[in-house]
Amino acid sequence: SQKIEQNSEALNIQEGKTATLTCNYTNYSPAYLQWYRQDPGRGPVFLLLIRENEKEKRKERLKVTFDTTLKQSLFHITASQPADSATYLCARFSSGSARQLTFGSGTQLTVLP
Amino acid sequence: EAQVTQNPRYLITVTGKKLTVTCSQNMNHEYMSWYRQDPGLGLRQIYYSMNVEVTDKGDVPEGYKVSRKEKRNFPLILESPSPNQTSLYFCASSLTGGPGELFFGEGSRLTVL
Repeated sequence: SQKIEQNSEALNIQEGKTATLTCNYTNYSPAYLQWYRQDPGRGPVFLLLIRENEKEKRKERLKVTFDTTLKQSLFHITASQPADSATYLCARFSSGSARQLTFGSGTQLTVLP
Repeated sequence: EAQVTQNPRYLITVTGKKLTVTCSQNMNHEYMSWYRQDPGLGLRQIYYSMNVEVTDKGDVPEGYKVSRKEKRNFPLILESPSPNQTSLYFCASSLTGGPGELFFGEGSRLTVL
């Protein structure tokens, strides 16, 4: 089965620093990886998508990388703020008949003022 | 406003009492899906639908039914709920079921006593 793992359950960082979250996958590379933000009691909200042939994607203070050799995606938030505190989920998209997203269990980020 | 609407948001029921969680989207999306979220297990897909009258099992379909009679609606049916179905449920939709953004509802917290 295609697994996706987020190594850290929780990450605390100081305001202004860069937060780096890790997502690892097994078996073959997914065609796409997605990152979502989830606040307590709310549904996940889409942030970024990166394709297998893209090394890096940016959106404002967010940056995602995709390393098919390491089978890993890194999600960076630069100049982090307390408002960035949330759980971040990565998900792999599997092409083919299933066409479903498989989610990691998430990393809870807390940005300390 | 583009949204996915789930009802009820909170429900406490007893074992064996049939219930339905409704889901409606106003974005004319073809693809809809149900997930359950449990601590430490992340989001797991229950069922999905690529279009009207087309549904398929996800990773954890046991004990659930779905139907897709209209494009906008995708209800989740628990014919005989059991305590192990106590969970936070999310409905989601996307334009085509491809790798693009998945839009989530606000969630339905179900407790089965």
